[in-house]
Amino acid sequence: AQSVTQPDIHITVSEGASLELRCNYSYGATPYLFWYVQSPGQGLQLLLKYFSGDTLVQGIKGFEAEFKRSQSSFNLRKPSVHWSDAAEYFCAVASNQAGTALIFGKGTTLSVSS
Amino acid sequence: ETGVTQSPTHLIKTRGQQVTLRCSSQSGHNTVSWYQQALGQGPQFIFQYYREEENGRGNFPPRFSGLQFPNYSSELNVNALELDDSALYLCASSSRGLGPAGYEQYFGPGTRLTVT
Repeated sequence: AQSVTQPDIHITVSEGASLELRCNYSYGATPYLFWYVQSPGQGLQLLLKYFSGDTLVQGIKGFEAEFKRSQSSFNLRKPSVHWSDAAEYFCAVASNQAGTALIFGKGTTLSVSS
Repeated sequence: ETGVTQSPTHLIKTRGQQVTLRCSSQSGHNTVSWYQQALGQGPQFIFQYYREEENGRGNFPPRFSGLQFPNYSSELNVNALELDDSALYLCASSSRGLGPAGYEQYFGPGTRLTVT
């Protein structure tokens, strides 16, 4: 069965420092991968997606992610974190069994210290 | 362009009761998916509707049911509420038929359901 693992439950980063959030997926073929962000009390906002081609994808708010097939990973990065980036981040993979559903990881909470 | 909207924002129900949650999809989208997000967890897929028919279902019992209307809006119904049904219910819309882009889902703000 497909699955997504986000190994880090909670990460704290200093403002201005770089950020990397880890995501590992389980899927046989080339996956469709997504990163979403959720601010407190709000729905999920799509940051970026990977379908095929260039393995480094750019998203909104200065985020990027790199697809590494050999490591089954799709890690999210940002070179300089802002206090407003504090939120919950979810990695997701497209399901191959239920329409166009997404399978989400449990999320990583990002705190930003000043 | 109007985004995904959901109503109500919050809801408190008693165990055993029934609840209906509503969702209006983003303009131009023809597919609606529902997810349950328990506290501290990632969203879990409940089911999806396309062309007014259920088009995929997650591991949820039949007391979770839904509808999609001709204008692509949707309802989620939950019967015989249990305490564990307390969660944030998220609706997402997408546009099926665009290849991989059909998997891009745009979420509403959610309905917070509390079952006591």
